[in-house]
Parts: sequence; C-alpha cells; structure tokens
Amino acid sequence: SAVISQKPSRDICQRGTSLTIQCQVDSQVTMMFWYRQQPGQSLTLIATANQGSEATYESGFVIDKFPISRPNLTFSTLTVSNMSPEDSSIYLCSVEGTATFGYTFGSGTRLTVV
Amino acid sequence: KQEVTQIPAALSVPEGENLVLNCSFTDSAIYNLQWFRQDPGKGLTSLLLIQSSQREQTSGRLNASLDKSSGRSTLYIAASQPGDSATYLCAVLGGGADGLTFGKGTHLIIQP
Repeated sequence: SAVISQKPSRDICQRGTSLTIQCQVDSQVTMMFWYRQQPGQSLTLIATANQGSEATYESGFVIDKFPISRPNLTFSTLTVSNMSPEDSSIYLCSVEGTATFGYTFGSGTRLTVV
Repeated sequence: KQEVTQIPAALSVPEGENLVLNCSFTDSAIYNLQWFRQDPGKGLTSLLLIQSSQREQTSGRLNASLDKSSGRSTLYIAASQPGDSATYLCAVLGGGADGLTFGKGTHLIIQP
C-alpha cells in the first residue's frame, strides 16, 4: 500500500493566521482526500483533490477557507485560512484505495488555534 | 446520504475476552467497507478491507464480517490484549459519497 508522509504533525497557531499542511505520497495516485476530525468526533471529508483540476469540496467547506493544491500525482497541500479556535482539529490526508489494501491515511496534523 | 453508526460508543473489558464491535450503514450500495484503528492523537491504521462481494475477512485475531443487504458489519477481536486499546472506526465507500463515510467509532479499553 502507499506510504504517506504528512507534516507538520502538530502546530499551535494564533487566530487569524493560516497553516499549510503537506502530504507526500511514495507513489503516483490519481485521487487524494482531505479529512477533518474535530475533538471527540469522527472523520469528515473536506475535499477531493485530483491532479490538474480544482478540488471538489463537500457541503460546509469552501475553497476560500480551505484552499488545496495538487501540483502533481504525489503531493498535495491543504491550507487552513484565517483560523479560529473552532478550526482546532486533526487534519488527515488520504489516498484512493486499492482492491487489496483499501484507503491509506497520513499520520495526521493536530492543529490547536489559540 | 450515507450514514454510518457504530455500537457501542465505548467498551471496557478485561484482558483475554473475545469481543464484537458493530457497524451499520444506511445505504447498501457500497463498494467496500474498511475497519481502522486510531490511537489517541494519531492517524488511522487499516485493519481489514471487505469488498462488497465478500462476506468476511480475517487477519490474525481479527475477523470482520459484512452483510451488505442488511447494512451491517461486525469486527470480532479474539483473546483481547491491552495493546488492542484504541478507537476502532468503520468506514464505507459508496452509497453516493466521494471518499469514505465514517462512523463515530468505538473507544475500546482492554484492562490488564
């Protein structure tokens, strides 16, 4: 299965600032996904990112708040913009599943906004 | 819209017991179902993947079953160990959604 390197692993940020999270995959993948996990909650899909096209956002998430880049088939970034304490969550990237291994996730970024 | 429910929300059992975690989903038009483990503050580790055409999958002490028509899956853990303590998440692919749809998880504690 694919191996994903996600960074930073954690950060504490001031409200009003932005943080960019990076995910690097060790193989080429068509689809990458970004999820948010709020405290005590399960994972919610933010957007799907395909190389060469704009990301597709789920209901409740907008590009101005969560801009995504997908410059090639092994890399993607998610920016959390103009942060507020409500953005404090774990953010995870994921790559499309295979018939054998299913979906693979990065190790997550724990974001605290103060 | 696909919804995934996991029962129980939390479970605490003594070491050595066999246990069953439950997952149900509302839309049976799924491609597959995947069980994950999440340790506190960490990412997800895939445990088992069941394709929609399959009935069960086994890996070591873990066995997952799938009844697609009734919208149910169970994760059976045999001879539980303290190292099994984690949150177990069930996720389905399909049912009209992009990416995976997750349940809220079962927080499992195995007492030494």
